[in-house]
Amino acid sequence: EIVVTQSPATLSVSPGERATLSCRASQSVTTNLAWYQKKPGQAPRLLIYTVSVRATGVPARFSGSGTGTEFSLTISSLQSEDVAVYYCQQYNNWPLYSFGQGTRLEIK
Amino acid sequence: QVQLVESGGGVVQPGTSLRLSCVGSGFTFSKYGMHWVRQAPGKVLEWLAVISTDGMYNHYGESVKGRFTVSRDNSQNTLSLQMNSLTAEDTAMYYCARDIGGPLADWGQGTLVAVSS
Repeated sequence: EIVVTQSPATLSVSPGERATLSCRASQSVTTNLAWYQKKPGQAPRLLIYTVSVRATGVPARFSGSGTGTEFSLTISSLQSEDVAVYYCQQYNNWPLYSFGQGTRLEIK
Repeated sequence: QVQLVESGGGVVQPGTSLRLSCVGSGFTFSKYGMHWVRQAPGKVLEWLAVISTDGMYNHYGESVKGRFTVSRDNSQNTLSLQMNSLTAEDTAMYYCARDIGGPLADWGQGTLVAVSS
């Protein structure tokens, strides 16, 4: 089983500042990693897949990077609507998917 | 546009069963693997199950293996999740999601299951 660990658990960032979220896999997932945004009362939304490909309609301020076991999601200029919980997910070990524990992103 | 609509949730007693459904539209349902994911109150996303395009292959997360069964009817564009021996730990919002070759690109709005005596 591939365990995915996210850090930090909670991140507070001022509006307009950069936010960087981290995700670590217990073994290499090559580039088979995605990021999702989850807001209360809403369905999860795919943001990034294959480490760095933005899903349709995702603003350019969201970017992903990394390879192997270390990954990051960066929001270049935090907007109020970006407040959410962000999850990374590996799909290298298909069909044994696993999500990280999430990072709660807050406005400072 | 792609739409997934779950139904079948409700309040049930421990030890009972429930069947969830998810109807897909706006895409060729039979060409995509489908998943179930849940989120318990205040908890994280938990992957539950996947079913292949033709329904011949499925796989489950450890917490539901042996209790939950995923199936699909491509003629009706419908995904199902049969949940047996429910416990309070199964209380959650249940989502179906479309697999585009790894990432889960589209999600339904969810159906809420509450297990309580």
